[in-house]
Amino acid sequence: AQSVTQLDSHVSVSEGTPVLLRCNYSSSYSPSLFWYVQHPNKGLQLLLKYTSAATLVKGINGFEAEFKKSETSFHLTKPSAHMSDAAEYFCVVSPHNAGNMLTFGGGTRLMVKP
Amino acid sequence: SQTIHQWPATLVQPVGSPLSLECTVEGTSNPNLYWYRQAAGRGLQLLFYSVGIGQISSEVPQNLSASRPQDRQFILSSKKLLLSDSGFYLCAWTRQGVPYEQYFGPGTRLTVT
Repeated sequence: AQSVTQLDSHVSVSEGTPVLLRCNYSSSYSPSLFWYVQHPNKGLQLLLKYTSAATLVKGINGFEAEFKKSETSFHLTKPSAHMSDAAEYFCVVSPHNAGNMLTFGGGTRLMVKP
Repeated sequence: SQTIHQWPATLVQPVGSPLSLECTVEGTSNPNLYWYRQAAGRGLQLLFYSVGIGQISSEVPQNLSASRPQDRQFILSSKKLLLSDSGFYLCAWTRQGVPYEQYFGPGTRLTVT
C-alpha cells in the first residue's frame, strides 16, 4: 500500500522569500516521487521527479526537492518565491512495481504576497 | 513532440442528461491513458485507466464509464449525470516503459445543474 500526506493545505509567503512545501509518503516498495503544479483551471504540469538516482532533484522554475528515505519525506523548496508561483502543488508517489498507479497527495495551495 | 487534447473545455449539463468527454493524444503510439476527477478543493481521484485499445480498468464504482475505441483516443461517458458528477476532469498519458511519469491534458470543467 502507498499513501502521500501533504502536511499543509495552504502556504502563504511573501515574494522573494523561500518556499517550503512539505510531503511525507509511505510505500511498501521503493518509490518514485513527483511534484506537480496546477494553475487555476489548468491541467497538471510535472515540476520534478525522483526515480532512485540523485536524492536532490532539480526541477523547472527554480524548484528542487530532496528525497530523505530515513524521514520518508520529499519536501519541495524554492529559494525565492515569485508571484507566478502561486498555484496548487501535488506530491505524488508511484511504487516501482505497482505498474501505472500514482497516488496523489491532497494538494497544497501556495499563495504569494507582493 | 507529444500533445494531449481534451474537449470540451467547459460543460454545463442538467441532472439526468448524458455525458461524453473526449481525450486524444498526438505524437506517440500505444500510450497508457487515464481519467481523473478533481472535486472542488480536493485532490485527484483516478477513475479509469487503459493500457490498450478496448482495455479499461475502473478504480472506483460510479456512474461513469470509459472507452478506448482507438489507440490514442479515450472517452469518458455517462448515461445519466448526477449532481455529484460535477468536477474537473483530467486526462493523462504515459509512455509504455515509463509508466510512472504522467502528462496531463488541460482538463474539462463539468457542472451538473
